[in-house]
Amino acid sequence: DGGITQSPKYLFRKEGQNVTLSCEQNLNHDAMYWYRQDPGQGLRLIYYSQIVNDFQKGDIAEGYSVSREKKESFPLTVTSAQKNPTAFYLCASSIGQGLKTQYFGPGTRLLVL
Amino acid sequence: GENVEQHPSTLSVQEGDSAVIKCTYSDSASNYFPWYKQELGKRPQLIIDIRSNVGEKKDQRIAVTLNKTAKHFSLHITETQPEDSAVYFCAASPGGSNYKLTFGKGTLLTMNP
Repeated sequence: DGGITQSPKYLFRKEGQNVTLSCEQNLNHDAMYWYRQDPGQGLRLIYYSQIVNDFQKGDIAEGYSVSREKKESFPLTVTSAQKNPTAFYLCASSIGQGLKTQYFGPGTRLLVL
Repeated sequence: GENVEQHPSTLSVQEGDSAVIKCTYSDSASNYFPWYKQELGKRPQLIIDIRSNVGEKKDQRIAVTLNKTAKHFSLHITETQPEDSAVYFCAASPGGSNYKLTFGKGTLLTMNP
């Protein structure tokens, strides 16, 4: 899991603003994921990508967007359409090719001003 | 889609005793079941996992059992220690080439001295 980095550690969003969370991995993993964590809610899947230039919506994709232009990068944009963005955001990656173990980054805490 | 239920939501045990956390899943095609441990403010870390062709797996003080017929799996921690205090999450992944994980809502495990 040391090969997955997220930045920034804390992020503040103003009303109506889009913000982008960074996720980078140097593990040569094919698949990457974004989760949102709220107290008592577990980990909920926002988007995932099993291969470069392809991604799918998870369970709570509304108000979020992603891109996967490079294998090592999977940025998440929290748009102004996401009315309750305050949460802990976790990025993860897995090797793919039938191996499903996911490794998590350190997370970004997003707060609304 | 897959639904994972986890019980209990909180568990307090005497130091040195055993702890058991149980999860049920809905999709009979699910074939991979990891358990993650998350300390406060940190990233989830994989502690043990099991695949559907195995009924039990042990790693020192931690074991996981899987009952495919009943669609449930459990985490067993023996001789609990203060460093076992954390939130534990179970997850399930569908069969085939889909790498998604669906997580339970977590169990907060605390020690009584």
